[in-house]
Amino acid sequence: GEDVEQSLFLSVREGDSSVINCTYTDSSSTYLYWYKQEPGAGLQLLTYIFSNMDMKQDQRLTVLLNKKDKHLSLRIADTQTGDSAIYFCAERVLTGGGNKLTFGTGTQLKVEL
Amino acid sequence: DGGITQSPKYLFRKEGQNVTLSCEQNLNHDAMYWYRQDPGQGLRLIYYSQIVNDFQKGDIAEGYSVSREKKESFPLTVTSAQKNPTAFYLCASSTGLAGGSRSWAQYFGPGTRLTVT
Repeated sequence: GEDVEQSLFLSVREGDSSVINCTYTDSSSTYLYWYKQEPGAGLQLLTYIFSNMDMKQDQRLTVLLNKKDKHLSLRIADTQTGDSAIYFCAERVLTGGGNKLTFGTGTQLKVEL
Repeated sequence: DGGITQSPKYLFRKEGQNVTLSCEQNLNHDAMYWYRQDPGQGLRLIYYSQIVNDFQKGDIAEGYSVSREKKESFPLTVTSAQKNPTAFYLCASSTGLAGGSRSWAQYFGPGTRLTVT
């Protein structure tokens, strides 16, 4: 079955690193994604990782994938107040009708001065 | 400027009325999607379309209808049969299964907030 879980809240101080965690259940997932949503806005694709990779780095963002434990994390280095948002992880699931994403419930990141 | 547009940003309707939400994309994507987002919850898939003139029900299709007559457009109608229509509606698009994308990531519009009273 498909289920993606995330913790609901994370609070960090400006300048610290943030680590947002996600677990998924579908072992056939090929791609996993991280999206950012600011208040009242749509979702912005931050990064993605292919399931045969362990790590992907993109400027301040580092994605780690533990396929054995079905665990995905997003690390944001030098967290800024502009990083305050809801972060969603999602897994790509192939279906008979095509290509769907299953989203987690989102982690609200609050950055304090 | 390539992207996805949704209009209007805010929409108010009386209970019992049907309402249509617009979604247009100029990314040349084959696939388009509609999601519903309620406060404190993730996204739930309403309908999706992998190609023009074809669409499939998602997880919560009851009370909604869609059409896909053009590649660029995927309008969503919220009918009076939808029990709790007040929500934030998000449209997305991606390359299709046969597309050249290596990630099949979905790209989202800015959303429409629908309030039904």
